Amino acid sequence: DAMVIQNPRYQVTQFGKPVTLSCSQTLNHNVMYWYQQKSSQAPKLLFHYYDKDFNNEADTPDNFQSRRPNTSFCFLDIRSPGLGDAAMYLCATSRSAGANVLTFGAGSRLTVL
Amino acid sequence: GENVEQHPSTLSVQEGDSAVIKCTYSDSASNYFPWYKQELGKRPQLIIDIRSNVGEKKDQRIAVTLNKTAKHFSLHITETQPEDSAVYFCAASSYGGSQGNLIFGKGTKLSVKP
Repeated sequence: DAMVIQNPRYQVTQFGKPVTLSCSQTLNHNVMYWYQQKSSQAPKLLFHYYDKDFNNEADTPDNFQSRRPNTSFCFLDIRSPGLGDAAMYLCATSRSAGANVLTFGAGSRLTVL
Repeated sequence: GENVEQHPSTLSVQEGDSAVIKCTYSDSASNYFPWYKQELGKRPQLIIDIRSNVGEKKDQRIAVTLNKTAKHFSLHITETQPEDSAVYFCAASSYGGSQGNLIFGKGTKLSVKP
């Protein structure tokens, strides 16, 4: 009954080699978020989609891009991963923005060699 | 923008004792304050939340209190059990529209010793 599914769970890439992480949801939620979580740190919001509207956080590097082709799917593209991009990437959804419960996926752990 | 401070960063208690984790926020427009529990290697999961029209909320052994004037909120866990061991994150957001995203505190690693 997984509601927010992330693939792959583990991704190993080489320095500079593009990576795409995917997220799908069965909740029909309007909002989909991407968070970056480094070891022993809080999740840090990279960007989110409210329906088709893309909202980028001011300090999200240009190296990170996102696509949401439909309500159910959202992708995180890392164009040229650096060693500092190694982290857990968490996808989350909510019915609407603001004061709504986030449902997280299990995460995709990215290793950069 | 919003800034959320969380203390302590680590907390160790004996089984059966109470644990208290405190957070402060900076944006007076924030009106939603959830707490997430993240076990090692797992996804964050909501354990309790409170909205600004309420001062306290309880769910079995877990309670959250909110002081809007002082802009702080706290998580209280009573009768702690080893399975309560995890990292707990507080968060804050303001309601409505396409903005008001959750900003997380840095987390508290709670260890409950049997």
